Amino acid sequence: RKEVEQDPGPFNVPEGATVAFNCTYSNSASQSFFWYRQDCRKEPKLLMSVYSSGNEDGRFTAQLNRASQYISLLIRDSKLSDSATYLCVVRGSGNTPLVFGKGTRLSVIA
Amino acid sequence: NAGVMQNPRHLVRRRGQEARLRCSPMKGHSHVYWYRQLPEEGLKFMVYLQKENIIDESGMPKERFSAEFPKEGPSILRIQQVVRGDSAAYFCASSRQRQGDIGKLFFGSGTQLSVL
Repeated sequence: RKEVEQDPGPFNVPEGATVAFNCTYSNSASQSFFWYRQDCRKEPKLLMSVYSSGNEDGRFTAQLNRASQYISLLIRDSKLSDSATYLCVVRGSGNTPLVFGKGTRLSVIA
Repeated sequence: NAGVMQNPRHLVRRRGQEARLRCSPMKGHSHVYWYRQLPEEGLKFMVYLQKENIIDESGMPKERFSAEFPKEGPSILRIQQVVRGDSAAYFCASSRQRQGDIGKLFFGSGTQLSVL
């Protein structure tokens, strides 16, 4: 089983749609969770951290379910500029490095 | 306030040559990470360094690859005797030392290595 698994893409959605991405992780000792965004041929950029209580940043909502080892990202009112690959990222305890999922590609269509 | 600086942006090498990739972390960041990304693949961890120390090199191939982060100057990822399979985008990232910041990485623009 891969350490971090994500929904296969691509997701093609119209502007204004709501889209959800899912992610599961295998290491139950994982401590920190993040969503990164990567545009084509560019570097990944931190989108948001994911907290146990769930957190929201504008149109973006992240959820964490530790019991199921499951993370989600919800994007409401999709914009053309949201088109990118969304990377689920997990870190174990201590100074262990971040583990990245392969990403889910989103295309928002006018 | 410059971000993470990587150079060169593109590097072309012939099989058997050496590739040296450089990375200067953000100001105030003392942790450097190197990741490799193959086309249509995810980022794969290679090595994690602090100044003058390799903390975790579990993702580094056993041969031909080495990394350093000297007291002065940028971090260097060195690939000796490159082969076609080394062609990839190599990303460097840095983070601050504070526990709450470890894991929030700032990435450079990457070096695209092409081996002919």
